[in-house]
Amino acid sequence: EVQLVESGGDLVKPGGSLRLSCAASGITFTSVWLSWVRQAPGKGLEWVARIKSKADGGTIDYVEPVKGRFTVSRDDSKNTLYLQMNSLKTEDTAVYYCTTGGSAFNIWGHGTMVTVSS
Amino acid sequence: EIVLTQSPGTLSLSPGERATLSCRASQSISNNYLAWYQQKPGQAPRFLIYGVSSRATGIPDRFSGSGSGTDFTLTISRLEPEDFAVYYCQQYGNSPPYTFGQGTKLEIK
Repeated sequence: EVQLVESGGDLVKPGGSLRLSCAASGITFTSVWLSWVRQAPGKGLEWVARIKSKADGGTIDYVEPVKGRFTVSRDDSKNTLYLQMNSLKTEDTAVYYCTTGGSAFNIWGHGTMVTVSS
Repeated sequence: EIVLTQSPGTLSLSPGERATLSCRASQSISNNYLAWYQQKPGQAPRFLIYGVSSRATGIPDRFSGSGSGTDFTLTISRLEPEDFAVYYCQQYGNSPPYTFGQGTKLEIK
């Protein structure tokens, strides 16, 4: 069974940093493209970032509002996806989901809550 | 960036009825790269449809997708109690950013 488990969500002050992790099991991690999608409280879904497999070049893309502040990475030896979030803003408050798929998102984790507030 | 507009915002129907949800794009979506997701309260989204009309693994055949260009539809032929949820369309054209519609809430009448 494919499983994605996010962790690392927390309450952080504006300007602070946080690193999210997503541990995967039941998939050939090295070959999958992975994405982060977020959902602000009571709002819709927003694609945040994507990382391709190393075999496909490992290319990374971000949505405009997080460029220069967020960094996505993967450790294929640990079957884990990361999202390093710096210079956090109140508008980054959301549930962050890890998903498989670099464009359409077929498997989703349960999400981890990030709250940016003073 | 492609903007997706879903309508209606809320759809009130009874179990057994047919649901038709619309998704309109601000520009033509290349290669029919349009997907649909279902989300229930407190849960992660569930992948339903990709490539406009292909059902994801395990999705019942009462769910169907259609459309092309800028106009797309998700149809649920006979609503089951578990189908009442929020539905999102999403485009994944040639390159990021990949955008979602604002969602349609399907509620029990």
